[in-house]
Order: sequence, then structure tokens, then C-alpha cells
Amino acid sequence: EVQLVESGGGLVQPGGSLRLSCAASGFTLSNYWMPWVRQAPGKGLEWVANINEDGSKKYYAESVKGRFTISRDNAKNSLSLQMNSLRAEDTAVYYCARDAGNYYGSGTLFDYWGQGSLVTVSS
Amino acid sequence: EIVLTQSPGTLSLSPGERATLSCRASQTVSSSNLAWYQKKPGQAPRLLIYGASSRATGIPDRFSGSGSGTDFTLTISRLEPEDFAVYYCQQYGAFGQGTKVEI
Repeated sequence: EVQLVESGGGLVQPGGSLRLSCAASGFTLSNYWMPWVRQAPGKGLEWVANINEDGSKKYYAESVKGRFTISRDNAKNSLSLQMNSLRAEDTAVYYCARDAGNYYGSGTLFDYWGQGSLVTVSS
Repeated sequence: EIVLTQSPGTLSLSPGERATLSCRASQTVSSSNLAWYQKKPGQAPRLLIYGASSRATGIPDRFSGSGSGTDFTLTISRLEPEDFAVYYCQQYGAFGQGTKVEI
């Protein structure tokens, strides 16, 4: 059974840092691109970043570029999101997901999601 | 940058009725890259449709997708109580703003 479990969320002051982790199981992590997607309170889904199978390619939304860093450790079946210089507008539930686009002949599709980790940026 | 615009913002319907949700892209996109998700409060998003018209594993056949070019549609043929949720279209890193289907 595919499982994605996020951890590391919490309350942080503006300007602070936080590191989210996503533990993957039930599939071979090294075969998939992996994204982070967030949802701010009362807002829609927003793609944050993604990383290719071996970690050599990383892409970021403009809203987080230069502040967030996505990484992965395939040997440990884990995905991470290092968030620095956090702002109030980064407050959201952060989801890791599995991108199975390559297996469905589609560019990008997220077929499994974690339950999310809440990040609150407030003083 | 592709922008996806969903309409209507909110759809008020009753169980058993048909729901038609629209997703319009700011430029032509490949149908193979268009997906739809269902999101309920406190739950993770669920993949419904990929490649514009293919149902994901385990998705009931009352959900169907269609469209090409810039205009895509998600149809729920007969609403069940569990279908009341927010629906998002997606193409690569872009999500639409969502359509809420409410009772």
C-alpha cells in the first residue's frame, strides 16, 4: 500500500525556518518525481516545488523561489522541504504527493497524497 | 505561464442532479496533461481524472471528463451525498481556483 506521511509542521515566527519531511512507503521512491503542494486557509491548491527521480532537477513556484529548497533521500525513502524566511502568506497545509505522470502518459498527475502538515507563520 | 480558470465558482445542486464543471486554459494545452481532483475539508486531494478523460483507479463511472484545446469539462452524472466537495483542474504546476459543489 502506497503511503506518504508528512511531519515537521508547526508554529513559526515570520522570518523563521522550518523543515518538512515526507516518509514514503509501498513503492520505489526513486522511480518518481515528487512534488509539494500547499493549501492556505480558505484558498485553493498551489503547487510549491517538485524534484525529479534522482534529485538532479528541482523546480519552484515563484512565490517560494530562493526561500524554499526541496530535496530527497531515496535510500531513506524520504522527501524534504526546507523553508526559510517564512512569511505569513506561507501559512498553509503542506502536502507531499507522488507524480505518476510518466506512468500514465500524462505530463503531471498526483495519484497519491499525504494527509498534510500544517505550517503556521505568526508572531 | 498557463492560467486555468474554473467556472462556476460555486454550484448549488441536489443529490441525484447532474453537475457540469468547466476549466478553461489561457492557452492551448495537451489533453494528456489535464487532471481533475476532488478535495474535501480535512482530507487529502483525490485524483479523479487524468489525460482529460481517463478515470483514476477506483473512481466511480458517474465521474467523466472531456474536452480539448483550452476547454475542459468534469461531469458528475448523478450527485451522491459524498460528491459535495471542491473540484480542481490541473495542468503541470498550475491549478484552477476550484469549483465548490454544494447542496
